Amino acid sequence: KAGVTQTPRYLIKTRGQQVTLSCSPISGHRSVSWYQQTPGQGLQFLFEYFSETQRNKGNFPGRFSGRQFSNSRSEMNVSTLELGDSALYLCASSLKGNGYTFGSGTRLTVV
Amino acid sequence: AQSVSQHNHHVILSEAASLELGCNYSYGGTVNLFWYVQYPGQHLQLLLKYFSGDPLVKGIKGFEAEFIKSKFSFNLRKPSVQWSDTAEYFCAVNAPGSNTGKLIFGQGTTLQVKP
Repeated sequence: KAGVTQTPRYLIKTRGQQVTLSCSPISGHRSVSWYQQTPGQGLQFLFEYFSETQRNKGNFPGRFSGRQFSNSRSEMNVSTLELGDSALYLCASSLKGNGYTFGSGTRLTVV
Repeated sequence: AQSVSQHNHHVILSEAASLELGCNYSYGGTVNLFWYVQYPGQHLQLLLKYFSGDPLVKGIKGFEAEFIKSKFSFNLRKPSVQWSDTAEYFCAVNAPGSNTGKLIFGQGTTLQVKP
């Protein structure tokens, strides 16, 4: 059974650019959540999608957005990148809230 | 505000020593509780979870955790650690009203096990 797949694994972007990250959940999982992991702030919840609808949102600026497709795959977008957006972005999927399986993450570096 | 607190930021133990990592949360009502582990260079893996029932939960790799509702705690334990347990450990709580994917994480505890 394939796990949660995140692409790309690494990204380097310039300040002011935008970036799109992708997450393919475990087959059958309809909930996809996104987290930002940094050494200073730890793991912070960005947002959650369930059946193509945003169900929860964390305390991040509007530059951070996401969506979910009918096949449960999800993307998150960060516009007008700032140096502080450099982080590991993690995606997690869940079947019914019965535990959350994380992907390996996308490491974003903003220069 | 809802929060999760892990008491120890960095723990150093020798092999075969016993481990206890503290976790306290601040929520009212029913919560789901989790411990995740992140080995160097790897993704977060679920060690164990508590939803209801027996407050003593057994997980993978010999880890267990005890939910004490009156103390808002969910401490992780292992009787005898191994060098391979070197990793970062995260306690997490589902926000109230859940079965949603919103996990609130503690700041993590780095465990270093010396051979």
